[in-house]
Amino acid sequence: EPEVTQTPSHQVTQMGQEVILRCVPISNHLYFYWYRQILGQKVEFLVSFYNNEISEKSEIFDDQFSVERPDGSNFTLKIRSTKLEDSAMYFCASSEAGLTNEKLFFGSGTQLSVL
Amino acid sequence: AQSVTQPDIHITVSEGASLELRCNYSYGATPYLFWYVQSPGQGLQLLLKYFSGDTLVQGIKGFEAEFKRSQSSFNLRKPSVHWSDAAEYFCAVGAGGTASKLTFGTGTRLQVTL
Repeated sequence: EPEVTQTPSHQVTQMGQEVILRCVPISNHLYFYWYRQILGQKVEFLVSFYNNEISEKSEIFDDQFSVERPDGSNFTLKIRSTKLEDSAMYFCASSEAGLTNEKLFFGSGTQLSVL
Repeated sequence: AQSVTQPDIHITVSEGASLELRCNYSYGATPYLFWYVQSPGQGLQLLLKYFSGDTLVQGIKGFEAEFKRSQSSFNLRKPSVHWSDAAEYFCAVGAGGTASKLTFGTGTRLQVTL
């Protein structure tokens, strides 16, 4: 089965530093997402992206966050100035279609630790 | 706003025993409901989904779930658990009638004893 690939699997950074989390969605997919899971808490929606723009974002996704599809294969999440509370597992997901889609494919996640 | 509650944080069952994982949701319209499984070091894998129609849905790996509107529940079941089913299970509801933005529960960790 095709899969979504995320790199790195673990990222450690100092508070205030910028981090970029990388994802390679499934090649024919058009919709891309980031979710995160703080340890012991729920998986939370951050942002959805389609046709090179943000479709929807949550209140978590503030000005410190940005997403980009810099080329035809990668989808990145940037955190400009990390805070301790940004420590979480970040999941990328992709889907072939949006509103009528029945299935999101998730990557295995990037564990971000902010010290 | 939609929400999902999974009352059981951790469940232990013996291999071969039946399993039921509980999920209750809060949503104003007809929900899109999902169960995902996460094995250690893996991403979230879709087990099954309910959009409409038959309220008993079959999924992969022998799992099924039943949508009960009157109870706002979507419990996951399996008649005979295998050791490889040990994982974290997440119930989710699709927000706004779409399947793209999901609201997840906190998850239930399943342990299987031999």
